[in-house]
Amino acid sequence: QVQLVESGGGVVQPGRSLRLSCAASGFTFSRYPIYWVRQAPGKGLEWVAVISYDGSKKYYADSVKGRFTISRDNSKNTLYLQMNRLRTEDTALYYCARDIKLAYTSGTIDYWGQGTLVTVSS
Amino acid sequence: DIQMTQSPSSLSASVGDRVTITCRASQSISNYLNWYQQKPGKAPKLLIYSASSLQSGVPSRFSGSGSGTDFTLTISGLQPEDFATYCCQQSYSSPPTFGQGTRLEIK
Repeated sequence: QVQLVESGGGVVQPGRSLRLSCAASGFTFSRYPIYWVRQAPGKGLEWVAVISYDGSKKYYADSVKGRFTISRDNSKNTLYLQMNRLRTEDTALYYCARDIKLAYTSGTIDYWGQGTLVTVSS
Repeated sequence: DIQMTQSPSSLSASVGDRVTITCRASQSISNYLNWYQQKPGKAPKLLIYSASSLQSGVPSRFSGSGSGTDFTLTISGLQPEDFATYCCQQSYSSPPTFGQGTRLEIK
């Protein structure tokens, strides 16, 4: 079955960096666009970034543009999120999630991981 | 960005009840509207996509309707496992945006 397993979260000071990973299994990872979506404590879901199936296209929310970088290694079935210059408002549970469509970024997510918690605090 | 507004923000109901949750978009999104269920400590689960299409494996007591700016999620015959938070999301334009969620509680 489809599985997405995030890792790399933790407590970090403002201004520092963190790299999240998402290991995928149970489907042909290289054929699907993949998202990072976050949820701050007690808040709603917020889209962070998306990467095309082949890694050629990347899009970011304005709130993270220039600080976060999404990437993927299709040979390792793994998605990454490099987060630099972290802010307290980046504190959230970060989910990795798969687009419902093959090769096309539809904006609809059919599978989500369990999330990894990032806490930015001094 | 397109704003998504859900109502109510919370709702109490009993097993067997029929409940309706509403989602309104700040501009027309045709039928590019999805509904997710989220339980505490669990990943969100896709219930309905394209406003009214039931995701595979989702019970038929869940249904969605609407187009343009106004959408509804209906659960007919609430089951104990349905008590959760429900969230709408538009996939019409980037960035994809979510509603704030509706918490469905047991009365």
